[in-house]
Amino acid sequence: RKEVEQDPGPFNVPEGATVAFNCTYSNSASQSFFWYRQDCRKEPKLLMSVYSSGNEDGRFTAQLNRASQYISLLIRDSKLSDSATYLCAVNTGSQGNLIFGKGTKLSVKP
Amino acid sequence: DVKVTQSSRYLVKRTGEKVFLECVQDMDHENMFWYRQDPGLGLRLIYFSYDVKMKEKGDIPEGYSVSREKKERFSLILESASTNQTSMYLCASRTDRVRGGYTFGSGTRLTVV
Repeated sequence: RKEVEQDPGPFNVPEGATVAFNCTYSNSASQSFFWYRQDCRKEPKLLMSVYSSGNEDGRFTAQLNRASQYISLLIRDSKLSDSATYLCAVNTGSQGNLIFGKGTKLSVKP
Repeated sequence: DVKVTQSSRYLVKRTGEKVFLECVQDMDHENMFWYRQDPGLGLRLIYFSYDVKMKEKGDIPEGYSVSREKKERFSLILESASTNQTSMYLCASRTDRVRGGYTFGSGTRLTVV
């Protein structure tokens, strides 16, 4: 099993749709979890951290399921500007480096 | 906001050249990282540093070296550039080893011809 796995997509959704991405991780000792957004030919930018109790930031909701070892990102009321690649990141072991998934591409259509 | 600055946005070098990629962060972060990103392969860690003059190999260090003489600056060196090192190079930094997310620089798109 790969350390961090994401469905590569692409997810093609109409404006206003709700879309959810999952990310599974293999290291049960992982402590920190993040979602990043990356626009084409740009650097990844931190979208949100993922907390144990789940957290929300506007239209975005992140959740953590430790038992099944996955995190999720829910985007409500999708906008054209949400089109991007979404990367999950999970910290590893004692060094704490982040392991990134390869990303899920989202395309929001009019 | 933390700023991570990479010296060049686009770079074209010839095979065999020695290439220096510079990265500077302005928030006194201890941890710094160099990644390359290629289509289908995602982000791959080349080298990282947890402190001045400290460096550790990541997953793909072959053909690369690094230098961290000052806390704010982390340089990636391609000793003898090859065409398979054509890639997007991303520098990142963070403040906290356990909880901190990374802040990335805007990247250097390197082409080796």
